[in-house]
Amino acid sequence: QKEVEQDPGPLSVPEGAIVSLNCTYSNSAFQYFMWYRQYSRKGPELLMYTYSSGNKEDGRFTAQVDKSSKYISLFIRDSQPSDSATYLCAMRKTGFQKLVFGTGTRLLVSP
Amino acid sequence: NAGVTQTPKFQVLKTGQSMTLQCAQDMNHNSMYWYRQDPGMGLRLIYYSASEGTTDKGEVPNGYNVSRLNKREFSLRLESAAPSQTSVYFCASSGIAKNIQYFGAGTRLSVL
Repeated sequence: QKEVEQDPGPLSVPEGAIVSLNCTYSNSAFQYFMWYRQYSRKGPELLMYTYSSGNKEDGRFTAQVDKSSKYISLFIRDSQPSDSATYLCAMRKTGFQKLVFGTGTRLLVSP
Repeated sequence: NAGVTQTPKFQVLKTGQSMTLQCAQDMNHNSMYWYRQDPGMGLRLIYYSASEGTTDKGEVPNGYNVSRLNKREFSLRLESAAPSQTSVYFCASSGIAKNIQYFGAGTRLSVL
């Protein structure tokens, strides 16, 4: 069983929809949680960074961490075709540099 | 802002050939990483370097070697390429404060 599980998709939504992307994990020691966005044939770029449980909002993006359920989410409001990309969750333990990545969810937003 | 620069962008090798993938960062980061990305497997860590002069194995180190040439540069070498090493390779670097990893654009490698 992988430490981090993520549905590969693709997830297809119409423009303007609210998108929910999720990851589950098994290691309760993870404290730092990240979402990366990766456009086709590009490197991943950091989208959201959160520590421990709670919500963090940045424009149309909201990251949510529920440590009791070992579940993290990324919500995208008013989705745009430019949001079409693969979204990777990543997490690490305190004091550790190595990240553990999910396999990524491919999102397609149609005009 | 260059960030993390990887060369080459594309490479085709024959089985048994060797090559070195180059990575340089201009963010004065201490730590650098090499990943491979394969369909359905996500990003897997090959090697990392926590600081200049140190390197450690990651999840999939077999068939690879690395060199942390200086603080800026971290190279990945394939001594005898195999078809199983066909992949997209990413280099990343991170600083101390939040340990956020910044990625290069990747090298697409095909081994025939």
